[in-house]
This record gives sequence, C-alpha cells and structure tokens, in this order.
Amino acid sequence: KAGVTQTPRYLIKTRGQQVTLSCSPISGHRSVSWYQQTPGQGLQFLFEYFSETQRNKGNFPGRFSGRQFSNSRSEMNVSTLELGDSALYLCASSLDPGMNTGELFFGEGSRLTVL
Amino acid sequence: KNEVEQSPQNLTAQEGEFITINCSYSVGISALHWLQQHPGGGIVSLFMLSSGKKKHGRLIATINIQEKHSSLHITASHPRDSAVYICAVRLWGRGNEKLTFGTGTRLTIIP
Repeated sequence: KAGVTQTPRYLIKTRGQQVTLSCSPISGHRSVSWYQQTPGQGLQFLFEYFSETQRNKGNFPGRFSGRQFSNSRSEMNVSTLELGDSALYLCASSLDPGMNTGELFFGEGSRLTVL
Repeated sequence: KNEVEQSPQNLTAQEGEFITINCSYSVGISALHWLQQHPGGGIVSLFMLSSGKKKHGRLIATINIQEKHSSLHITASHPRDSAVYICAVRLWGRGNEKLTFGTGTRLTIIP
C-alpha cells in the first residue's frame, strides 16, 4: 500500500511569488491535514480537510489556502511569499478524524525555501 | 503558556536504559498522539490514545485524562531510538479540533 506522497520535495521561490504543494493520501483515506514546521515555531497546524470540506483551520494568514479534491488529493497554496514562509510543509492522511480511525500517516514533506 | 508542554527538552542516555518522556496539556482533548521524527524530517505516528495505556514492542504510552498528562516510555533503549519525540493533542470542540503540538524531546541514545 503506497504511503502519503507529497510533491515537490524541494523548491526554491523568491519573495512575492506563490507556490502550490500537493499531497496524495493513502488509498481509502478521506482526511488530509497540513502542517508547517520551522526551527523557531516547531510544528503548527495549517488546515484539515475531510471529504472535500475544510473542517478545521489553524492561525495562519489568508495567504495560506488549501483544497481537497473528490479523489481525496489535496493541495495547499501560499501566495505573496515571505521569507518567513521558508519551512518544511507536511501533510498527513487518516481514514477520518474520528477517535478510532484518526491515526495519522505523514508524508516526507515539501521543503520550501524563500529567497 | 503553551497548551502542550513536554519534558525534558533534551535527553541523553546509555543504550539499554529505560526512557520516560512526559507531556502535559491544559485544554480539553479528544485524543493525544505521540510522534517520532528522525533527522531528515520524516514523521511516524507511534500512538494515538484517549485513555489508559497502549504498548507496541518496546514502546509504552499512557494517558491520565484527569491529570491531563501522558508519558511515553521506551524499554531497553537502542541507538536507533535516537530521534525527536513529539506529543500532539487534538483539541475538543466542534469546529476547533485542531492538532496542537509540543516542542518535542530530542532523545540521544549512546551505544
């Protein structure tokens, strides 16, 4: 069974540009969540999608957005990039967010560098 | 004050020692996760629990809901256990069930 796949793995952008990251969950998983990891702030929750609906959202500015498609694949977008957006962006999938089925399976992450 | 506090921040031990990492939280939760992150970034979920105790191989996780506290134990530690261990809680509340993370415990096991 294939794991969670994130693309691209590495990317470099300049300030003001926008970026789109993709996450393909484990087959059969309907919940996808996104996280930002930086040395200074650690892991922070961005948003969570279930069956194409955003269920929860973290405390990030509106430049950070996401969506989920009918096949459960998810994308996140960051517009007007700032230097502080440099981070490892992780996605995780689960069957659904419920107690018995909420175990998280993480992708390897997309490492974004903003110059 | 962070909603999730982990201790210790760093832990160095000899191979074979019994390891305990603690996690305290100050909010109502529906579940608590223990995660392991090796250098290079990959995160693996070790446990998800809402009550009692779970065991997987040499790893044991416990949670006390009344005391808002969880512990992760590693028996017969091995150098391959060297990693950052992260506690995360899923907040309780409709529409606000986001995952909140501790700052992690960096564990180093010396052969």
